[in-house]
Amino acid sequence: NAGVMQNPRHLVRRRGQEARLRCSPVKGHSHVYWYRQLPEEGLKFMVYLQKENIIDESGMPKERFSAEFPKEGPSILRIQQVVRGDSAAYFCASSPSRGGSPLHFGNGTRLTVT
Amino acid sequence: GESVGLHLPTLSVQEGDNSIINCAYSNSASDYFIWYKQESGKGPQFIIDIRSNMDKRQGQRVTVLLNKTVKHLSLQIAATQPGDSAVYFCAESYSNTPLVFGKGTRLSVIA
Repeated sequence: NAGVMQNPRHLVRRRGQEARLRCSPVKGHSHVYWYRQLPEEGLKFMVYLQKENIIDESGMPKERFSAEFPKEGPSILRIQQVVRGDSAAYFCASSPSRGGSPLHFGNGTRLTVT
Repeated sequence: GESVGLHLPTLSVQEGDNSIINCAYSNSASDYFIWYKQESGKGPQFIIDIRSNMDKRQGQRVTVLLNKTVKHLSLQIAATQPGDSAVYFCAESYSNTPLVFGKGTRLSVIA
């Protein structure tokens, strides 16, 4: 079984451009989480989605960031008008249920804003 | 020994020794705890979890201990191997809310 697949693995964007990060969860998992990680730091929760619904976006910046998990296809984390401070590793995780069980993580997308 | 670096605390152990990685969690209401291992350039990998109605759980070469009185979680790795070198994160959750991660500890195994 394939695990969580994220692409691209590395993404370079100039300031002001848009970044689009994709995540395909483990087959059969309908719960998706996005986390951000800065170097030498822990993972910070951003958003939790179920199919077609945002359940918890308490960790998402109010502007420029959005996420979706459509009925068909991968979950997308979109960052508009990127700034240098957006440079980080973005990890997606999935689970078969809400809470109380391990999250399965992908290997992340490393975003560099120049 | 254990030292605090600029960002991540680091634990250095000799190959074959046991390792103990500690974590102080913040929310006394947390009811689910989990340890992850993260190798360079990869995503976190699940090691072991424990619910708040337990104080100890064992896996293969790993044991997690939970002390709710002092809000402390530890991960014990028996017979540490070079492949155990990584950053280890504890995470907590309450009432099925998204996992909140700690800062992490870097484990360095000396061959």
